[in-house]
Amino acid sequence: QQQVKQSPQSLIVQKGGISIINCAYENTAFDYFPWYQQFPGKGPALLIAIRPDVSEKKEGRFTISFNKSAKQFSLHIMDSQPGDSATYFCAASLPLGTINTGTASKLTFGTGTRLQVTL
Amino acid sequence: GAVVSQHPSRVICKSGTSVKIECRSLDFQATTMFWYRQFPKQSLMLMATSNEGSKATYEQGVEKDKFLINHASLTLSTLTVTSAHPEDSSFYICSAGTSPLTDTQYFGPGTRLTVL
Repeated sequence: QQQVKQSPQSLIVQKGGISIINCAYENTAFDYFPWYQQFPGKGPALLIAIRPDVSEKKEGRFTISFNKSAKQFSLHIMDSQPGDSATYFCAASLPLGTINTGTASKLTFGTGTRLQVTL
Repeated sequence: GAVVSQHPSRVICKSGTSVKIECRSLDFQATTMFWYRQFPKQSLMLMATSNEGSKATYEQGVEKDKFLINHASLTLSTLTVTSAHPEDSSFYICSAGTSPLTDTQYFGPGTRLTVL
């Protein structure tokens, strides 16, 4: 129930195209869904995040679509650029204070999607 | 966004030695920090949750005596890999949640550990 399934494993998109990465979860208690971008040899960087009470959130070229009934959420990268080539991870966490011992929630990560944007 | 640093960025050590990795929150206080391990082309695996002033909480399967975690201040957590072996070679990453209570976690740049 703690798993977050991510697809596809890898994705090749032409410059200017739309990149779409999907994630699905089982635990309906999750209430925070961030996306992270990771370049080789670097730590993940927070890209955008959403909560279940919102169906869509847009920040620049990045949009999260959230379907609460289907327990799915996706990342859309519009006008994809070669500089977007990286590994993307979706994640989910439980509400603060649920089973945590501190002041931040544990993240459950998806398996990652390697995105390559070609010229 | 908040900045988390790690030191060193890369370390090579001989089998049997211990290695300490530092994780610092540079512009905020982090009551809770997390330590992850990442193998090549794989996802992040949570090792432990580190809380300032208390013992760390380890995930199932992670050896407490092998991976010592200390969170002595609101801006510093350390991970010590004791008696390192080649199988401990990995990319270790920390993250921190900004205070007060928040869902957002910021990650450090990672530490590449190679055990010869």
